[in-house]
Amino acid sequence: QVLLQESGPGLVKPSQTLSLTCTVSGGSINSSSYYWTWIRQPAGRGLEWIGRIYSNGRTNYNPSLKSRVTISVDTSKSQFSLKLSSVTAADTAVYYCARAVYGDYGDDWGQGALVTVSS
Amino acid sequence: DIQMTQSPSTLSASVGDRVTITCRASQNNRNWLAWYQQKPGRAPKLLIYKATTLESGVPSRFSGSGSGTEFILTISSLQPDDFATYYCQQYNSHFWTFGQGTRVEIK
Repeated sequence: QVLLQESGPGLVKPSQTLSLTCTVSGGSINSSSYYWTWIRQPAGRGLEWIGRIYSNGRTNYNPSLKSRVTISVDTSKSQFSLKLSSVTAADTAVYYCARAVYGDYGDDWGQGALVTVSS
Repeated sequence: DIQMTQSPSTLSASVGDRVTITCRASQNNRNWLAWYQQKPGRAPKLLIYKATTLESGVPSRFSGSGSGTEFILTISSLQPDDFATYYCQQYNSHFWTFGQGTRVEIK
């Protein structure tokens, strides 16, 4: 079974850029069957899809976040990354990375990484 | 954008009860729908995809039905491990949207 693990700073200052990396193990990030996805969840609230990337670098983003989001992939390291710029307190959330079957639904998820935006 | 509306937001039930959760799409979503279970402090777990297909390893008491704009998740006989929050998710468009979630609590 594939394992996904998020890593990155747990505290980011307002107006700065949030950066997270997801490391994939136990499976190939180059597989043609999957996209690699970021989802977030503010405390006590629902899930919000951020975006996804294919191994060739093709991306799709949530229109509400598109101007601030960049997702990239490094297949040599079996990692994909999230950058969210100009963060505010509203971006405080648990951030999950997930494997998405044909980009459609997440069948394996990381444990989540809490990122707090605060000065 | 396709908006997803779940109901109820909270559901109180007892072990052994049959439970149904409804998810409505703002436009025709064909059968491009998934259901997840989430427990506190844990990542969501995939239960059902393509509206009716049970993910491998998920107990058969879970089932999904519906197509188009109305979808239902049914738990045929609620077990203690099933008390959790459930989310629907559409994937008809190039991005996902989730329902608001349904919390299943002990009656």
